[in-house]
Amino acid sequence: SQQGEEDPQALSIQEGENATMNCSYKTSINNLQWYRQNSGRGLVHLILIRSNEREKHSGRLRVTLDTSKKSSSLLITASRAADTASYFCATWGGGSTLGRLYFGRGTQLTVWP
Amino acid sequence: ETGVTQSPTHLIKTRGQQVTLRCSSQSGHNTVSWYQQALGQGPQFIFQYYREEENGRGNFPPRFSGLQFPNYSSELNVNALELDDSALYLCASKLGGISQETQYFGPGTRLLVL
Repeated sequence: SQQGEEDPQALSIQEGENATMNCSYKTSINNLQWYRQNSGRGLVHLILIRSNEREKHSGRLRVTLDTSKKSSSLLITASRAADTASYFCATWGGGSTLGRLYFGRGTQLTVWP
Repeated sequence: ETGVTQSPTHLIKTRGQQVTLRCSSQSGHNTVSWYQQALGQGPQFIFQYYREEENGRGNFPPRFSGLQFPNYSSELNVNALELDDSALYLCASKLGGISQETQYFGPGTRLLVL
């Protein structure tokens, strides 16, 4: 399966701290994407990193990708209570599975004020 | 806001019934995908439609079917509902075809099967 797996399953931090979530996957990828989901609602696309990229930044988000280890990490700096949500990594299928996203189970992040 | 809407927001059905879920995409979004998300799990790919034809299906039985219409709306139909079909159903649409990497998710329909 191409499905990503996030670690940890749950993370609880104070406002102002950094939050790091990890993702591992099993097969080669074209890109890896991170999504955010508030309270079981729709998914919001956060950032996409391609297989030939090693690091990408977007505001307070920093994503790394290590294709040799088949892993990625999402760092949220200076977290806020509003960052409380579930975060999912998703690998993007190619070839016969073109266009499909394969999600992990997610990390539930709680940021306390 | 992603511009993708879904209806209804919540739905309760009983086992054996049939259900139709609807998704409305942005104008020009010619590809729509449907995902099932069970409680505590990540979304799982059901199928995707491109220009009104199914183009790829995940590991879901034939009682899950779909339609895509020329006005960029789509439907997910599930026959003979089972208890395990209880989940959040998400649609996602994109502009530019199947190879487009970025897609936009709707808020989902939460289905409960009793």
